[in-house]
Amino acid sequence: AQSVTQLDSQVPVFEEAPVELRCNYSSSVSVYLFWYVQYPNQGLQLLLKYLSGSTLVESINGFEAEFNKSQTSFHLRKPSVHISDTAEYFCAVTRSGGSYIPTFGRGTSLIVHP
Amino acid sequence: EAGVAQSPRYKIIEKRQSVAFWCNPISGHATLYWYQQILGQGPKLLIQFQNNGVVDDSQLPKDRFSAERLKGVDSTLKIQPAKLEDSAVYLCASSASTDTQYFGPGTRLTVL
Repeated sequence: AQSVTQLDSQVPVFEEAPVELRCNYSSSVSVYLFWYVQYPNQGLQLLLKYLSGSTLVESINGFEAEFNKSQTSFHLRKPSVHISDTAEYFCAVTRSGGSYIPTFGRGTSLIVHP
Repeated sequence: EAGVAQSPRYKIIEKRQSVAFWCNPISGHATLYWYQQILGQGPKLLIQFQNNGVVDDSQLPKDRFSAERLKGVDSTLKIQPAKLEDSAVYLCASSASTDTQYFGPGTRLTVL
């Protein structure tokens, strides 16, 4: 079985500051990793995913995450955040080659202050 | 392309009442999922359908929850009778490929 730990329940930052949301996973098999974003009163939207290949993956809105197998981490970063990035962010893991049912972390609330 | 549709968006009921949620997945998506998201937690899978067959319902409380996906398209999730601890957001998701799920806006259930 897989598990996900999101180390911070809430991350407050000022606009235009850099941010890192931390995610660590546990698995005895190869995994796929995902970051989802949930805006208030909306469903989850896929932000980015790692399946294979380059360990650095990027989203269209400036976020990036790096798969680090030795540290079993998949931290999400953005060099300069906007007010509109305020949302809940979920890290998820699923075993590769399986039924692709993701196990989600508890979420990190990113709060961007003006 | 239309997204995953869910209704109602909000529902308030009293304990021991019954409630039903509806989901219409993205056209052509064979796989449909129902998740329960309790406040402050990540989504937890309740049931997965492949077309109109159940793939995984190991975490569905079958004494009170039921789900069906007739004709392999729309799906309904029912709770009967509801308990206070069922208060949560119920998310429906669908997928065509095996690695990316698309989520609907969810139904927020409050049980009083």
